[in-house]
Amino acid sequence: DTAVSQTPKYLVTQMGNDKSIKCEQNLGHDTMYWYKQDSKKFLKIMFSYNNKELIINETVPNRFSPKSPDKAHLNLHINSLELGDSAVYFCASSLGLAGGLETQYFGPGTRLLVL
Amino acid sequence: GDSVTQMEGPVTLSEEAFLTINCTYTATGYPSLFWYVQYPGEGLQLLLKATKADDKGSNKGFEATYRKETTSFHLEKGSVQVSDSAVYFCALSDYSGGGADGLTFGKGTHLIIQP
Repeated sequence: DTAVSQTPKYLVTQMGNDKSIKCEQNLGHDTMYWYKQDSKKFLKIMFSYNNKELIINETVPNRFSPKSPDKAHLNLHINSLELGDSAVYFCASSLGLAGGLETQYFGPGTRLLVL
Repeated sequence: GDSVTQMEGPVTLSEEAFLTINCTYTATGYPSLFWYVQYPGEGLQLLLKATKADDKGSNKGFEATYRKETTSFHLEKGSVQVSDSAVYFCALSDYSGGGADGLTFGKGTHLIIQP
């Protein structure tokens, strides 16, 4: 009965590789997000989608490409991985577009290590 | 732009001590305010929230009051337990843009409770 799930939980890969992280929510929410948490625990929004449409893209390099096949899924594909991409990536979802009135529910995170 | 400032840790307390974690914010609109908690190796969980001035959010013995005049949302607990050891994030969502706004997080406060 997991609300927001992510796969994989851990991802270790070499520089230059391409990888994907998957996110699924079973809460019936319309809006999904990707956040990046760096080594100092600082969290920053990367993208948000509402009903499969991109809403926010916070100056993320275009090596990062989110894809939302349906409103329950928001996957993150990363091309040409760099050392600086090492971080924990969190997926989140919220009910709708009411902005700050909506609680965001977070997945468990994907720990990416680029060697 | 929006920002959240919170005291940086680690904060080390003895069990049953009184806890205060300070949080102040700047926002262009009229934000909602949140405290999230991250236990070791886990994702973020919503601890409490407040959506308008003078609202008090509370959960699991934790409280925070939305103070518009001081732009603050300090987290308090009267008697902490070892199980409260975690990283605590203050966050805001400013829905003045009307969209699926991501959360703006503070840098997190690592709380360590010693028996």
